[in-house]
Amino acid sequence: QSVLTQPPSVSAAPGQKVTISCSGSRSNIGNNHVSWYQQLPGTAPKLLMFENSERPSGIPDRFSGSNSGTSATLAITGLQTGDEADYYCATWDGSLTSWVFGGGTRLTVL
Amino acid sequence: EVQLVESGGGLVQPGGSLRLSCAASGFTFSNYNMNWVRQSPGEGLEWVSNIRSSSSGIYYADSVKGRFTISRDDAKNSLYLQMDSLRVEDTAVYYCTREPLGGWAFEIWGQGTMVTVSS
Repeated sequence: QSVLTQPPSVSAAPGQKVTISCSGSRSNIGNNHVSWYQQLPGTAPKLLMFENSERPSGIPDRFSGSNSGTSATLAITGLQTGDEADYYCATWDGSLTSWVFGGGTRLTVL
Repeated sequence: EVQLVESGGGLVQPGGSLRLSCAASGFTFSNYNMNWVRQSPGEGLEWVSNIRSSSSGIYYADSVKGRFTISRDDAKNSLYLQMDSLRVEDTAVYYCTREPLGGWAFEIWGQGTMVTVSS
């Protein structure tokens, strides 16, 4: 049971938009920045978004992040088959004094 | 090039010990907070432990507290994870990760090292 809640899977057609939610509480998302990670099959995770909505260099602007209260959202527009991966949200939990991850969301591009 | 390379994984019996290492290069290792994150086969990511720069703070997940010890040697640009009293449920790929300066994220990831705990 993950501290952060993500949908297990989402899907959409190429070219479409998809959003992935990450729900937490005041002790984590409510008071700390959220980051997002993309894990392609058989590879290490890669940072996709930090400080809720900042993209590292090299990440296309098709990826965007937002944060509202105790929830965060990753949006991907112009879906490509290469976007098929597992996506994870993470943040620091001040009450637990630990990093916490969401359970992960598998994106399928139909 | 900024790089993290883990080593030390392998097969160990329940109750045994293993020491993982992470060699950092391409950046000033001593300035950065470092973490270990693991992923059991077919499962999601789980944070294991964090060590601040200058070892000014150390944190553990409840699942490993009292059994695992994180440490760093800034002179050798290396991060370590001493794992004792290993359990079957510790079986996972262990990733070494670096946080960004002043930021809260896992910015850089190693390729991971597999730890299998089995009799």
